[in-house]
Amino acid sequence: DIVLTQTPLSLSVTPGQPASISCKSSQSLLHSDGKTYLYWYLQKPGQSPQLLIYEVSNRFSGVPARFSGSGSGTDFTLKISRVEAEDVGVYYCMQSIQVFSFGPGTKVDIK
Amino acid sequence: QVQLVESGGGVVQPGRSLRLSCGASGFTFSTYGMHWVRQAPGKGLEWVAVIWYDGSNQDYAESVKGRFTISRDNSKNTLYLQMSSLRAEDTAVYYCAREYDDSDALDIWGQGTMVTVSS
Repeated sequence: DIVLTQTPLSLSVTPGQPASISCKSSQSLLHSDGKTYLYWYLQKPGQSPQLLIYEVSNRFSGVPARFSGSGSGTDFTLKISRVEAEDVGVYYCMQSIQVFSFGPGTKVDIK
Repeated sequence: QVQLVESGGGVVQPGRSLRLSCGASGFTFSTYGMHWVRQAPGKGLEWVAVIWYDGSNQDYAESVKGRFTISRDNSKNTLYLQMSSLRAEDTAVYYCAREYDDSDALDIWGQGTMVTVSS
């Protein structure tokens, strides 16, 4: 089974400052079809998860440009260029190359 | 608007069964793959099951394989999760979610329904 590891598990950020979350996979998420099956979600407090990034670096509709995804193979990163108060919550990476699985989550709060 | 609404959660004794439903509206349900994802109290997200748009294929997490069955009725725009032989560790909020176009991304989520397995 593929295991996703996120670091850090908790992050406290000053508004306006950047933030970065790492997601490492135990196996490559690059498929023979050329796609890399890695996604990012945000679950705000008391809400259902929402899709931020699909296939490593594609921002979903309506997601602010301050969110960006990068990486390849087994190492991936979600970056927030300037954190805003509304960005608090738990961020999850997810893979779908082999069944589906989520990372443990990274809790982001505001200093 | 595009919406998913789960129902059917509640308190159930260990070993018993429960069926969850997820009603879809605002989109052509029969053309989308659908998933169930759960979240135990205070814990992270755990993927549970997927069903193809036409119901022809399903897949499950190892933790529920053989006990849970995902199904759909495209004529009723409804997704189901039949849960049997329930265990305390199945206690969670269960979300249904839609696959985004021809991606595996989950773009629309319901509000969730709580299942508590307890004697």
